[in-house]
Amino acid sequence: AQSVTQLDSHVSVSEGTPVLLRCNYSSSYSPSLFWYVQHPNKGLQLLLKYTSAATLVKGINGFEAEFKKSETSFHLTKPSAHMSDAAEYFCVVSGRVGNEKLTFGTGTRLTIIP
Amino acid sequence: NAGVTQTPKFQVLKTGQSMTLQCAQDMNHNSMYWYRQDPGMGLRLIYYSASEGTTDKGEVPNGYNVSRLNKREFSLRLESAAPSQTSVYFCASRLGQGGFGNTIYFGEGSWLTVV
Repeated sequence: AQSVTQLDSHVSVSEGTPVLLRCNYSSSYSPSLFWYVQHPNKGLQLLLKYTSAATLVKGINGFEAEFKKSETSFHLTKPSAHMSDAAEYFCVVSGRVGNEKLTFGTGTRLTIIP
Repeated sequence: NAGVTQTPKFQVLKTGQSMTLQCAQDMNHNSMYWYRQDPGMGLRLIYYSASEGTTDKGEVPNGYNVSRLNKREFSLRLESAAPSQTSVYFCASRLGQGGFGNTIYFGEGSWLTVV
């Protein structure tokens, strides 16, 4: 069984300040983990993914996430928020090969204050 | 490279009508998925197909049927639409077996309203 919890449904930050979007997961196996971004009325775009290589993963647009097995967390961060970062962000956990189900968090809406 | 293409993008149905959402991918992926997205609930899996010729139920399969027509195509059918099926539907695909952690690719979404 696997699950993912996004701890904040809505996060607001000022432009130029750091962003932290929190994700905790549960998995019976070593998972692969993803962060996706969805802009209004658009599909989902991959930001970054963790697949048991380096625990600090760098993605597009300056985002990065750190896999912490001891804390079962995969939080998404960015040093300096930009107006274009305003969107909905989804944390996704995937089972091992042979179990292809993907489990999504309920999403975190990021608002950037000018 | 088109990626994942789903049609139609918008549809309004009357209660009781049927329709099929089409999805095709050109990346030679094994696994394909149908999700629905509702406010505050994230994406919920309706059905998935781990490989050509197989389909399995997800979290919310009731009221839906699927067909994995071939490796490229995975359609979702609403036999008798209900207002509770008003949602945004996403098709997705990934390489699947043989590659742990393969990226999942999503279509642009289909906005369905049942009145």
